[in-house]
Amino acid sequence: GAVVSQHPSWVICKSGTSVKIECRSLDFQATTMFWYRQFPKQSLMLMATSNEGSKATYEQGVEKDKFLINHASLTLSTLTVTSAHPEDSSFYICSARDAGGGLAGLDSYVLNNEQFFGPGTRLTVL
Amino acid sequence: EDKVVQSPLSLVVHEGDTVTLNCSYEVTNFRSLLWYKQEKKAPTFLFMLTSSGIEKKSGRLSSILDKKELFSILNITATQTGDSAVYLCAGGKAGGGADGLTFGKGTHLIIQP
Repeated sequence: GAVVSQHPSWVICKSGTSVKIECRSLDFQATTMFWYRQFPKQSLMLMATSNEGSKATYEQGVEKDKFLINHASLTLSTLTVTSAHPEDSSFYICSARDAGGGLAGLDSYVLNNEQFFGPGTRLTVL
Repeated sequence: EDKVVQSPLSLVVHEGDTVTLNCSYEVTNFRSLLWYKQEKKAPTFLFMLTSSGIEKKSGRLSSILDKKELFSILNITATQTGDSAVYLCAGGKAGGGADGLTFGKGTHLIIQP
């Protein structure tokens, strides 16, 4: 199956610093990647949609200047948490959708609508 | 606002029991309902359902979607301790797959030996 990696797996940083998290699709191309955040015992909340070659689309309540997203290539999206604070401590997960599929009609949609998740990055801000 | 509600929030059963997890959704331009299993890290994909009334099966797991009632269930038969996890349900939109998923809060399933 399709593999998505994230780097780093775990990061601890001081308040006020910036942290960059990478999301890579390893064996497929992804025109669209998604960034989710998960607080303890909560579900995944979509933060933003990252589109290759264009600006990211942010969900309501997510500050675009604080969470900078760059989707520079079809296999890489980065999320930078700027001036991180303890309340930003969370589990950040990216997912990627396969840009190809090779099939027409519903099968293509099914393939293209499945999101493959990365392993997540645990951010702790002291 | 899109909404996905799962029940129960938490469930403890004994090994060998059968469990049914529920998911109701209100998603504009709805196209698909997805189930994921989350253990320690990121969710792993279980099923994607797009049509009503067609059961999808994978081993001891099965799922079905009711698009009239905006509801899906995930069944696990002959449960094993390895089935202990949080099961997440998510709604996906139509429109070429450009939208992220709306997740429910999950059902925390614990299988006791």
